[in-house]
Amino acid sequence: SQQGEEDPQALSIQEGENATMNCSYKTSINNLQWYRQNSGRGLVHLILIRSNEREKHSGRLRVTLDTSKKSSSLLITASRAADTASYFCYPGGSNYKLTFGKGTLLTVNP
Amino acid sequence: EAEVAQSPRYKITEKSQAVAFWCDPISGHATLYWYRQILGQGPELLVQFQDESVVDDSQLPKDRFSAERLKGVDSTLKIQPAELGDSAMYLCASSLEKQDTQYFGPGTRLTVL
Repeated sequence: SQQGEEDPQALSIQEGENATMNCSYKTSINNLQWYRQNSGRGLVHLILIRSNEREKHSGRLRVTLDTSKKSSSLLITASRAADTASYFCYPGGSNYKLTFGKGTLLTVNP
Repeated sequence: EAEVAQSPRYKITEKSQAVAFWCDPISGHATLYWYRQILGQGPELLVQFQDESVVDDSQLPKDRFSAERLKGVDSTLKIQPAELGDSAMYLCASSLEKQDTQYFGPGTRLTVL
């Protein structure tokens, strides 16, 4: 099955700093989605970027997509303690058998 | 705002017993997903429905797991018999179509003793 692979597996920063996490995938996509999961809860959709887009913003989030390198990055600016969570990317393709990777565990220290 | 509903939220059972989980997706969503998530891992897709049809169940342990979405609306995931290794969070999600944003329910945390 196709899944995104997030990197790094864990990231620890201080409040107010920026956090960058990366995602790589293997086959063609129609879009790429980022999700957040707070401890013990369901996933929440953050942002979707289509394959013909290179960059997208939503509040403090900035996502880039490079289809030639099959990679995406998620930047969270001015991080807050409430941003502490696991972050997952999901490569949305036309085929089935899509699933999630292991995610990036972000810890924002107050 | 419409949400995906799941029940029960927590389930404790003994091994070899049968358990069932229920999911009610957002109205109008054609695609429904069941995931299993072990602590520290990402969600693993167990089964995906498009309306009432199964389009992917390649990771579903079919000797003990079954899933149905009879009228293309709500869905049930069953495990019989439960094993110790089935302890996990079971997440349900739905989307308008198969490539769209997924909306997740709160999950059912299963503990098998």
